[in-house]
Amino acid sequence: NAGVTQTPKFQVLKTGQSMTLQCAQDMNHNSMYWYRQDPGMGLRLIYYSASEGTTDKGEVPNGYNVSRLNKREFSLRLESAAPSQTSVYFCASIGFEGAVHEQYFGPGTRLTVT
Amino acid sequence: GEDVEQSLFLSVREGDSSVINCTYTDSSSTYLYWYKQEPGAGLQLLTYIFSNMDMKQDQRLTVLLNKKDKHLSLRIADTQTGDSAIYFCAEIPTGGGNKLTFGTGTQLKVEL
Repeated sequence: NAGVTQTPKFQVLKTGQSMTLQCAQDMNHNSMYWYRQDPGMGLRLIYYSASEGTTDKGEVPNGYNVSRLNKREFSLRLESAAPSQTSVYFCASIGFEGAVHEQYFGPGTRLTVT
Repeated sequence: GEDVEQSLFLSVREGDSSVINCTYTDSSSTYLYWYKQEPGAGLQLLTYIFSNMDMKQDQRLTVLLNKKDKHLSLRIADTQTGDSAIYFCAEIPTGGGNKLTFGTGTQLKVEL
């Protein structure tokens, strides 16, 4: 998990509350991602940012918003949390330099919505 | 769209080889990846292969790519108990704007 930090590590919300998950990388990678992981469903892409200044929807964007604040930081916001958003959230960054790929994942944020 | 599929479980004996399979539907995929996730942890990139390659070997890991059948496999030689984890394959399709899509994951259990 070197190079990608996520905060918080754990969070409990009540239905309707809002929160922002923070992600930062210090590897100068262009691309950053937010995923949610649910049992038996693998990692599903919520939003991604191929480069600074751009964001795109993934498979499951509803109920989320993102901000690519600068090259280092990519935040995920839940405006009105729902129990269906109970999950583990992972941030990732990828760097492509010709034939070399670097990928790092954060340690995850365990979110429970009651 | 890009759908990546994996079988859910695999059980092997210590010392045997493990073969984890993955199928994808996007024929334009350029990069294909394998990851390992241990309990309570994030994902660790194990290896990757370009779609112009058929095989890549890295110590105990061998990746085979059959582009005709859109089939990717990861072989782990001399499987150890420390290899017990969930393994994910993933792809970035050509022209996908670096959109990284994962399979559902295969739980590998290594028995003594």
